[in-house]
Amino acid sequence: EPEVTQTPSHQVTQMGQEVILRCVPISNHLYFYWYRQILGQKVEFLVSFYNNEISEKSEIFDDQFSVERPDGSNFTLKIRSTKLEDSAMYFCASSAVGGYMNTEAFFGQGTRLTVV
Amino acid sequence: AQKITQTQPGMFVQEKEAVTLDCTYDTSDQSYGLFWYKQPSSGEMIFLIYQGSYDEQNATEGRYSLNFQKARKSANLVISASQLGDSAMYFCAMRGSGTYKYIFGTGTRLKVLA
Repeated sequence: EPEVTQTPSHQVTQMGQEVILRCVPISNHLYFYWYRQILGQKVEFLVSFYNNEISEKSEIFDDQFSVERPDGSNFTLKIRSTKLEDSAMYFCASSAVGGYMNTEAFFGQGTRLTVV
Repeated sequence: AQKITQTQPGMFVQEKEAVTLDCTYDTSDQSYGLFWYKQPSSGEMIFLIYQGSYDEQNATEGRYSLNFQKARKSANLVISASQLGDSAMYFCAMRGSGTYKYIFGTGTRLKVLA
C-alpha cells in the first residue's frame, strides 16, 4: 500500500541551526501538507502546497519556515534558525485531490525534531 | 473560523465493549468533511473514517462508525467490540470548503482494558 515516508525519524539540532525535514508523498497525490504536534498536544496546520506553490499557511509558518518540492518526488520543510519552541513532531501529509472535502489526507510517520 | 472540540482528554473501555468518542465542531460552511484519525504510541496518524456534511447515512468502516448529528454539530466516533490494539490517541478533524487545511481537535486518549 502506498505511503508517505519521512526522513529522518528523529533529528536533534542546536538552537539557531538550520534543519531540513524531508518527505516523499504518495506518488499520484497532488496536495502536500506539513503539520506539527508539540508533545502530547494538538496537531497544528503549518502549510499546504499545490502546483509548486504555497496554497495556504498558518500564522505559525513565518519567515523562518519554507517549503520546497525540489524534484518530482520530495517535499521538504526548512526551518532556517531553529528555536527551542520548534521542538515538536512534524508530520508530512498528502492528498489526491485538494478541492473536495471528502479527500482524506495520508500522513507520514513523523519526524521528531528536538532543538537543544 | 472553524473549530473542533473534543472534551474527553481520556477514556477507558473494557475489551470487547463499545465506546463513543465525542467530537463537536463549529463552522459556517455549508459543505465540509469530518475525519477521524488514530495515533498509536508509535506516533503515526492513521485515517479511520470520513463523513461528509451532505451524507444522509452515518459512515461505517468495519468496527468504526460515525454518529453524525448535523443539527447538533457533532460527529462522534463509535468503536464497537474494542480491542487492546485500539488503545491510542484519537483525533477528530474537519475540512471546510474553500480551504486546503484540516483542522484537528485536541484528541482523546483511549485505553482499552483487558
